[in-house]
Amino acid sequence: DAGITQSPRHKVTETGTPVTLRCHQTENHRYMYWYRQDPGHGLRLIHYSYGVKDTDKGEVSDGYSVSRSKTEDFLLTLESATSSQTSVYFCAISERGDRGSSGANVLTFGAGSRLTVL
Amino acid sequence: SQQGEEDPQALSIQEGENATMNCSYKTSINNLQWYRQNSGRGLVHLILIRSNEREKHSGRLRVTLDTSKKSSSLLITASRAADTASYFCATDRTGRRALTFGSGTRLQVQP
Repeated sequence: DAGITQSPRHKVTETGTPVTLRCHQTENHRYMYWYRQDPGHGLRLIHYSYGVKDTDKGEVSDGYSVSRSKTEDFLLTLESATSSQTSVYFCAISERGDRGSSGANVLTFGAGSRLTVL
Repeated sequence: SQQGEEDPQALSIQEGENATMNCSYKTSINNLQWYRQNSGRGLVHLILIRSNEREKHSGRLRVTLDTSKKSSSLLITASRAADTASYFCATDRTGRRALTFGSGTRLQVQP
């Protein structure tokens, strides 16, 4: 997981509380992604960013917001956590489109953040 | 619905045997990728095959792609206990900026 770190790695919270997960990269990659992983569903895209202040929604974006004020940080916020948001959250980065890249969208993943909403 | 569907969902084999996993998808792709996930860890990229390629090798891995059937297979030869993990296919779809992942195949290699 070199070059990409997620924090916190584990969090237990209560329904209705706000939660922010942080993804930090040292690779200077343009693209950053948030996925959630649930049994039987694989990984599902929540939001992604294609540059500072440039973000877009994924297939399961309801209840989540993101921000990217610096190249290296991509924050995922649950404004009011619900039990259905109990999951493992993965951040990923891609050098796609960066100078010197092959152009293919190959992802490097963080170690994940396990969130439990009681 | 999932763009990539892996089959089987779970596979248990003995060390030294070959393991084959399949992936089907629904729309046009630029490339298809396979990732591996060890328990409790993030996914790691294994291999990428472009839409104009039919087969690719990397060490003990062999990937095939049939765009007419919209399917791919991952073959791991001479499996080892250390190959025990979940394997996911991911499609890089035309016009999309993000990969779409399937639900994965859990591989157990018995020593």
